Amino acid sequence: GESVGLHLPTLSVQEGDNSIINCAYSNSASDYFIWYKQESGKGPQFIIDIRSNMDKRQGQRVTVLLNKTVKHLSLQIAATQPGDSAVYFCAESPQAAGNKLTFGGGTRVLVKP
Amino acid sequence: DGGITQSPKYLFRKEGQNVTLSCEQNLNHDAMYWYRQDPGQGLRLIYYSQIVNDFQKGDIAEGYSVSREKKESFPLTVTSAQKNPTAFYLCASSIVEGPYEQYFGPGTRLTVT
Repeated sequence: GESVGLHLPTLSVQEGDNSIINCAYSNSASDYFIWYKQESGKGPQFIIDIRSNMDKRQGQRVTVLLNKTVKHLSLQIAATQPGDSAVYFCAESPQAAGNKLTFGGGTRVLVKP
Repeated sequence: DGGITQSPKYLFRKEGQNVTLSCEQNLNHDAMYWYRQDPGQGLRLIYYSQIVNDFQKGDIAEGYSVSREKKESFPLTVTSAQKNPTAFYLCASSIVEGPYEQYFGPGTRLTVT
């Protein structure tokens, strides 16, 4: 999701359900993608990353899917918990940019008990 | 305990004053970054440095200055020329060879009145 000014896209999910957060990236030369979680008033925390030679990568309760054809990235969170409530950012980087990341606007996830 | 520290957490200044935000890391990373985050938005790159005594402008460098005299430290000065300085400022570090994840500090919330 892309932000629209002050209004972040929001995903409301029931505790225990799976969450899917989407991100459209813009640079076809990007070959590294990363998801961060940011809780209110804190710095972003790394969740998972993926390189362009892969289309899926799994972590603990999280899966990232990459579709280079349509320049789309998604983060799936299994069995969403209250502690997963946060803003989630995707970021991309082309190899030529060294380690500079370009961040998307973020998606807010609200977990309902 | 390795990580990035930013101080102070909250900072208040009067308009027209310069203010310096501190960022220190003990991760032995060569690259360091400063981002600005406005409410409900993503991160925008202000400045970055890949080696001591060298730094480059990011996307929104106007009104800001940095120095990199030591590997561990990358202070950011918000000058009186910055038109809208009130924001949440985040410092990050990473290895240079990348791209790889960036590690973020807890942030400093600057309010200028």
